[in-house]
Amino acid sequence: QKEVEQNSGPLSVPEGAIASLNCTYSDRGSQSFFWYRQYSGKSPELIMSIYSNGDKEDGRFTAQLNKASQYVSLLIRDSQPSDSATYLCAPRRGGNKLTFGTGTQLKVEL
Amino acid sequence: KAGVTQTPRYLIKTRGQQVTLSCSPISGHRSVSWYQQTPGQGLQFLFEYFSETQRNKGNFPGRFSGRQFSNSRSEMNVSTLELGDSALYLCASSLLTGGGEVGGYTFGSGTRLTVV
Repeated sequence: QKEVEQNSGPLSVPEGAIASLNCTYSDRGSQSFFWYRQYSGKSPELIMSIYSNGDKEDGRFTAQLNKASQYVSLLIRDSQPSDSATYLCAPRRGGNKLTFGTGTQLKVEL
Repeated sequence: KAGVTQTPRYLIKTRGQQVTLSCSPISGHRSVSWYQQTPGQGLQFLFEYFSETQRNKGNFPGRFSGRQFSNSRSEMNVSTLELGDSALYLCASSLLTGGGEVGGYTFGSGTRLTVV
């Protein structure tokens, strides 16, 4: 079993729709969770972090965490073509080591 | 404020050679982590340094090594290069206190290493 699982996609959504990206993790000791966006040929960029169960909103992005189910998700509202990228989920157990999933490719279509 | 700076951006090396990559973290960030990114494996953790000490190490062979200097700049070295070492090597810094953690990583632009 992979430590972090994400559907590789591509996930295609029309412009203006809600994109829902999901991630499951195996390490129950994970304490904090991060979502990164990576454009093709670029390095990952932090877009959201979440530490407690529930929802956390930041602009068009909402991160959701359920530690009991070992599940974290990212919702992108009003998706734009500029949101087309690969989204990486990264739990952190402690210390400063992030374990990354292989990412979900999102395509927002006009 | 300046971001994470990695040099060089691109490298082409021959099998058997060695290579050194450099990373300058964001000013004030004392933790530096290194990752290898390949299309098949995604981002794989190499190691993390904090205050010149290696605190975490991933599952890479001993040919991969690193160090951190007193100014928090870090280098990683790969000896006896193999074709499979071709990858994007990413450095990330974070603001981390000795007893806790703050925020996530900020990545540099990476060094694209090609081994021929």
